[in-house]
Amino acid sequence: DQQVKQNSPSLSVQEGRISILNCDYTNSMFDYFLWYKKYPAEGPTFLISISSIKDKNEDGRFTVFLNKSAKHLSLHIVPSQPGDSAVYFCAANGGSQGNLIFGKGTKLSVKP
Amino acid sequence: DVKVTQSSRYLVKRTGEKVFLECVQDMDHENMFWYRQDPGLGLRLIYFSYDVKMKEKGDIPEGYSVSREKKERFSLILESASTNQTSMYLCASSSSMIYGYTFGSGTRLTVV
Repeated sequence: DQQVKQNSPSLSVQEGRISILNCDYTNSMFDYFLWYKKYPAEGPTFLISISSIKDKNEDGRFTVFLNKSAKHLSLHIVPSQPGDSAVYFCAANGGSQGNLIFGKGTKLSVKP
Repeated sequence: DVKVTQSSRYLVKRTGEKVFLECVQDMDHENMFWYRQDPGLGLRLIYFSYDVKMKEKGDIPEGYSVSREKKERFSLILESASTNQTSMYLCASSSSMIYGYTFGSGTRLTVV
């Protein structure tokens, strides 16, 4: 049973527009959320995180929003660039030892 | 920069072979993890270790074992490789169960 869900396997966006990637979680005890980005033939790299005491965290073009009542978070990329094309994984500290559990990922394609 | 090195980028093995995947990190991290990535299934945790000689099962440990004899090295062992273990294997290390996972570049294993 998936505890971290990314329901959109793929997303296609025009360069310069906003990309919005969504993630839902099932357990209100999760209190730390992260986004990782993965290019083909490379390992995932950390992108941005948010603690449950906040509802927004921003880092340059990347902003993560957390809606605790809806158990939903989203990653906004503005403006989107072709180099942002990658698979994005949402993660939460929901493992048995507090370790991260990951969603299935969303493949973002940013078209020039 | 933290570096996580996986010994092979590509590996082809025969069904029934015993397979060793090696991972070495150079930042004295306590925690190390083995994931596999499959299309549509995302990142799934196989095993992790929070100390030398300590190991914990992840979500999909069947058919795998691990060894951590030294802090910097975490090995994944496929006791008798099967075709359904064809996958991308990713190793990660971290000083925390939540923050700062650093992933290796992955090993693409094909079992024929």
